[in-house]
Amino acid sequence: GAVVSQHPSRVICKSGTSVKIECRSLDFQATTMFWYRQFPKQSLMLMATSNEGSKATYEQGVEKDKFLINHASLTLSTLTVTSAHPEDSSFYICSARDRGPHQPQHFGDGTRLSIL
Amino acid sequence: GQQLNQSPQSMFIQEGEDVSMNCTSSSIFNTWLWYKQDPGEGPVLLIALYKAGELTSNGRLTAQFGITRKDSFLNISASIPSDVGIYFCAGRRLNTNAGKSTFGDGTTLTVKP
Repeated sequence: GAVVSQHPSRVICKSGTSVKIECRSLDFQATTMFWYRQFPKQSLMLMATSNEGSKATYEQGVEKDKFLINHASLTLSTLTVTSAHPEDSSFYICSARDRGPHQPQHFGDGTRLSIL
Repeated sequence: GQQLNQSPQSMFIQEGEDVSMNCTSSSIFNTWLWYKQDPGEGPVLLIALYKAGELTSNGRLTAQFGITRKDSFLNISASIPSDVGIYFCAGRRLNTNAGKSTFGDGTTLTVKP
């Protein structure tokens, strides 16, 4: 089945650091990838939709300069949390879809980001 | 915007019992998806439904795409401890930009041995 790989699985870093998270589709080409943020015991909050070769579409309230998204190829999207602060600590999950109208989203295993 | 109402929010059941959860919406969807999320991991796709009225099984799991296209349910039969986790429904409209899905708030399932 479709596999989405997300790396790293856990990051602990100091306030002010920028952190890059990678999302790869391993056995299919994903023209679209999605980035979610999840708070404890809550649902998935869509941050942005990443389109290969074009600018990402951000959801309302998500700062595009804070959360930089790059989707440079059909198998890789990256999310960079710039100048991270403790309030950015969260569980970030990526998702990818294969081409076609009936293809479901498949998720990576998530990245636990902890900013000290 | 589109919203999904997923219920119940949480369930505490005894091992061996059957479980039922559902999602409803005021909007019509062309696809319904059910996912399970274990702690500290990403959601895993359980069942995908593409036609109104469709009933699909995956082992002890059964899900149906409602006739009105505004609802879906997921049943788990003879629950076991490893069924513990958060179950999410997701709906998608055919012409949604980039195929973005709308997610429910999740049903947290606890199974007592």
